[in-house]
Amino acid sequence: KAGVTQTPRYLIKTRGQQVTLSCSPISGHRSVSWYQQTPGQGLQFLFEYFSETQRNKGNFPGRFSGRQFSNSRSEMNVSTLELGDSALYLCASSSGQHSYNEQFFGPGTRLTVL
Amino acid sequence: SQELEQSPQSLIVQEGKNLTINCTSSKTLYGLYWYKQKYGEGLIFLMMLQKGGEEKSHEKITAKLDEKKQQSSLHITASQPSHAGIYLCGADLRLAGGTSYGKLTFGQGTILTVHP
Repeated sequence: KAGVTQTPRYLIKTRGQQVTLSCSPISGHRSVSWYQQTPGQGLQFLFEYFSETQRNKGNFPGRFSGRQFSNSRSEMNVSTLELGDSALYLCASSSGQHSYNEQFFGPGTRLTVL
Repeated sequence: SQELEQSPQSLIVQEGKNLTINCTSSKTLYGLYWYKQKYGEGLIFLMMLQKGGEEKSHEKITAKLDEKKQQSSLHITASQPSHAGIYLCGADLRLAGGTSYGKLTFGQGTILTVHP
């Protein structure tokens, strides 16, 4: 079974631009969660999608948004990029039927904002 | 303060030595996850613990959950250089009667170095 895939693996953007990251979950998984990892704040939860609906959301500004498609693939978008948005963005997939399902992570997208 | 505290923050051991990493929560644990991460890469799932007293092992790694103490420990026996990396505990810290779909709260991680 293929694991969680994320594209692109690396991105360089400038302040004010917007960016879209993609995540393909493990086949059969319907839940996708997104996390931001920085040296200062560690791993922080952004949001979770299940069957195309956002079920849970972390404490991030509205510039961070996401969506999920009918095939469970998910995208997250960050608008008006700030220097502080430089981070490793990780997505995780699970079956999503319960809130305590095992979560499997992708390799991440390294975003650098200049 | 952190909702999930890991200790120690870093650990340097000689190959063959045993070691323990602890993860303590300030809230009730509804599930505790252990992951390993190579710097700048994704998280590798190690184990998930749900019930108090539960203990799981995989190869030379054992994790236990003490629900009363709201604490989990990860023990590595006879460490090898391949065990080096960052160990992260993540927890489902939902409120009683609530849900926490897809949301894990993570500790700051423990950096493990194993010298050959």
